[in-house]
Amino acid sequence: DAGITQSPRHKVTETGTPVTLRCHQTENHRYMYWYRQDPGHGLRLIHYSYGVKDTDKGEVSDGYSVSRSKTEDFLLTLESATSSQTSVYFCATVGTGGYEQYFGPGTRLTVT
Amino acid sequence: ELKVEQNPLFLSMQEGKNYTIYCNYSTTSDRLYWYRQDPGKSLESLFVLLSNGAVKQEGRLMASLDTKARLSTLHITAAVHDLSATYFCAVDKSQGAQKLVFGQGTRLTINP
Repeated sequence: DAGITQSPRHKVTETGTPVTLRCHQTENHRYMYWYRQDPGHGLRLIHYSYGVKDTDKGEVSDGYSVSRSKTEDFLLTLESATSSQTSVYFCATVGTGGYEQYFGPGTRLTVT
Repeated sequence: ELKVEQNPLFLSMQEGKNYTIYCNYSTTSDRLYWYRQDPGKSLESLFVLLSNGAVKQEGRLMASLDTKARLSTLHITAAVHDLSATYFCAVDKSQGAQKLVFGQGTRLTINP
């Protein structure tokens, strides 16, 4: 499972509040990713990181920011949560072989 | 823009039967991934296909890749109930950075 944990696992928040989701990995992998999963859309890439302080946007990055100050932690921030950001968020890393992407357990976020 | 389409989106089949899930994608890529997701769970990596003509098999599942046709198939042989899950294909749009674009998923139900 590539030693990935996500916190919190569940969160309910109100519209307009800031929210930060944390992804933590223990395998010292270089690449980390944030996806969101919504019915009918599969998973969509929000942001990814290719090293400490090196991040880039994915296909649905509007309304999200990320930070990576340590190899093991990749943070996803919703500056002002909206109902459209209600989703399940998955973090992922690339395994040692460089080809397989492994996913964390997910965070279910509800914005009311 | 890379688009990944799976069909069928829903599949109900009987134990012991064979079936195929198709994954079409719209632009050139040499890397294709198959994942399995059980309800309420994370994604589990099944296969990574890295070149034209690649074929991989694990138990009752076999995946293949035809990069010229931009098509991958996931074949299920003699289905058993334990294979009931949602299956996703994903294509790397980034020549190695693993910025994956996912299909919508195929929800497979296998009935006794």
